[in-house]
Amino acid sequence: NAGVTQTPKFQVLKTGQSMTLQCAQDMNHNSMYWYRQDPGMGLRLIYYSASEGTTDKGEVPNGYNVSRLNKREFSLRLESAAPSQTSVYFCASSPRPPSYGYTFGSGTRLTVV
Amino acid sequence: AQRVTQPEKLLSVFKGAPVELKCNYSYSGSPELFWYVQYSRQRLQLLLRHISRESIKGFTADLNKGETSFHLKKPFAQEEDSAMYYCALIRWDDKIIFGKGTRLHILP
Repeated sequence: NAGVTQTPKFQVLKTGQSMTLQCAQDMNHNSMYWYRQDPGMGLRLIYYSASEGTTDKGEVPNGYNVSRLNKREFSLRLESAAPSQTSVYFCASSPRPPSYGYTFGSGTRLTVV
Repeated sequence: AQRVTQPEKLLSVFKGAPVELKCNYSYSGSPELFWYVQYSRQRLQLLLRHISRESIKGFTADLNKGETSFHLKKPFAQEEDSAMYYCALIRWDDKIIFGKGTRLHILP
């Protein structure tokens, strides 16, 4: 029972490079989320998807794009990475309503140099 | 505005002493509240939901609507309790709002 799987676990990018963070869930959840976690800032929502084919901006969407490829997969793309995007990125999923909260992936530690 | 406030960034407690992690919320309506725990470099895991009134790993949390609080408590701290703890609430649109977290450090 994999839950929420994120790849890669670690990544180092140079400023201006692009990359896509992958996320997949096998729990048949409708909703999926991308968060970034920074020291002293807690978890901040980047984008979310309430269902297949829909996406919406969260608290800090600038510099990111997302794709809800199907019900299982929700990817986060950095088109031109900046040092300010150095962070730990977490994907999460939930049923609707999320009465049991969210299930989180293990995170991607991204460093932009 | 909906908000979750965890006033302590860091809480250090001796092993065997009681623990209380504070959480206050601002929400118009009946909130659903959670506590999440994150052990070192691991994923966030659900610890407690207020509606289930359960005790997990010796932790309990009671919703106090008058004080708009949902403090997390444990009578006797253990070294394995050292972790980051996040209080969170579900908003009307099913999005979860997280507090900024409290790092709990259990001293030997």
